[in-house]
Amino acid sequence: QKEVEQNSGPLSVPEGAIASLNCTYSDRGSQSFFWYRQYSGKSPELIMSIYSNGDKEDGRFTAQLNKASQYVSLLIRDSQPSDSATYLCAVRDKGGGNKLTFGTGTQLKVEL
Amino acid sequence: SAVISQKPSRDICQRGTSLTIQCQVDSQVTMMFWYRQQPGQSLTLIATANQGSEATYESGFVIDKFPISRPNLTFSTLTVSNMSPEDSSIYLCSVFGGTDTQYFGPGTRLTVL
Repeated sequence: QKEVEQNSGPLSVPEGAIASLNCTYSDRGSQSFFWYRQYSGKSPELIMSIYSNGDKEDGRFTAQLNKASQYVSLLIRDSQPSDSATYLCAVRDKGGGNKLTFGTGTQLKVEL
Repeated sequence: SAVISQKPSRDICQRGTSLTIQCQVDSQVTMMFWYRQQPGQSLTLIATANQGSEATYESGFVIDKFPISRPNLTFSTLTVSNMSPEDSSIYLCSVFGGTDTQYFGPGTRLTVL
């Protein structure tokens, strides 16, 4: 069974610090990787996608992918209280037909 | 991008009854996805709904419990049948919009008493 694992947290960081969120996946055939943010009571929204090994930066967000280690991470620089949410890692495999497998999510709390 | 609406936004139902959730998308899409998010849990795919064919169900989900309709390229319904308290969840409709981005509807929060 394909699995995506995340530390449930909560991960607490002070405002202005770097938040580091991690995710591992079991299926070596996975090709597409996504980070979603979900505020309490809201639906998930996509914040980053990454497909190749290395780093991908978008504003304060950096996604990192290491396919050899089956590891994907999300860094949030200059964390703000508005970043407090649950971050879901999602993986899509080559034969998945657009099906995403989600991790359980990491709750991030950015403290003043 | 894709704009998705769902009805109802929330409901409280008695066990043994059924609820039909509607999903409307503002553009034509080939596949629509139905997810469930149980309290404190992540998203689990229930089924993929293609227009003009039977829905494809994931392991652990069956058509008798979660019948799906897909009458056209912008609309789908998910019915939760013979409900029990274990069905209390948020049900989310989802589509792919262009550039590999999956969009989610606002969700239907279901409580079964």
